[in-house]
Amino acid sequence: DAKTTQPPSMDCAEGRAANLPCNHSTISGNEYVYWYRQIHSQGPQYIIHGLKNNETNEMASLIITEDRKSSTLILPHATLRDTAVYYCIVYNTDKLIFGTGTRLQVFP
Amino acid sequence: DARVTQTPRHKVTEMGQEVTMRCQPILGHNTVFWYRQTMMQGLELLAYFRNRAPLDDSGMPKDRFSAEMPDATLATLKIQPSEPRDSAVYFCASGLGQWTNYGYTFGSGTRLTVV
Repeated sequence: DAKTTQPPSMDCAEGRAANLPCNHSTISGNEYVYWYRQIHSQGPQYIIHGLKNNETNEMASLIITEDRKSSTLILPHATLRDTAVYYCIVYNTDKLIFGTGTRLQVFP
Repeated sequence: DARVTQTPRHKVTEMGQEVTMRCQPILGHNTVFWYRQTMMQGLELLAYFRNRAPLDDSGMPKDRFSAEMPDATLATLKIQPSEPRDSAVYFCASGLGQWTNYGYTFGSGTRLTVV
């Protein structure tokens, strides 16, 4: 079963930051937080992951709270192509289980 | 960029027929996942392999589904006999499972329609 809770949908204006929250209150000390997204009809795409430190790459930033019970994925300047379902997953070398994710709609 | 290749991309078959879906993982990846996606159920994990050994296939209907990795470059998912409720998109993903610093790479999927 998925170990995360995400809002079912969010909207964001193009050019603005999209902040996608995720709750993972039962996360274990050796479990990572991973984010994937799925653009319509395509396979999921890896975005970013982290253990306890904040992380940034060319796609996004990941902010993990100090107690590790929640995290936020930040797309700093959302574009229309960022419209997708975003999945937050807790993982540590075992099964990769997807929940229902957040459907992000970026509008002009 | 390295890709996970899935074939066929689309398959339409009649109920009762055998269906075989293939996945070529990225060279060097040792973990392969099979997923099924429908509107109602979302992404469901069917089975996964590490170093070609099946680790978990509890998500698969055992009486009709089977998954194998005959070698490190090929993973297969078979349905026999197929039923209309098997209509879905089937995704394969590969990665370096024991190293959590890497994400998994997904294929483009096989869209299966059973009529």
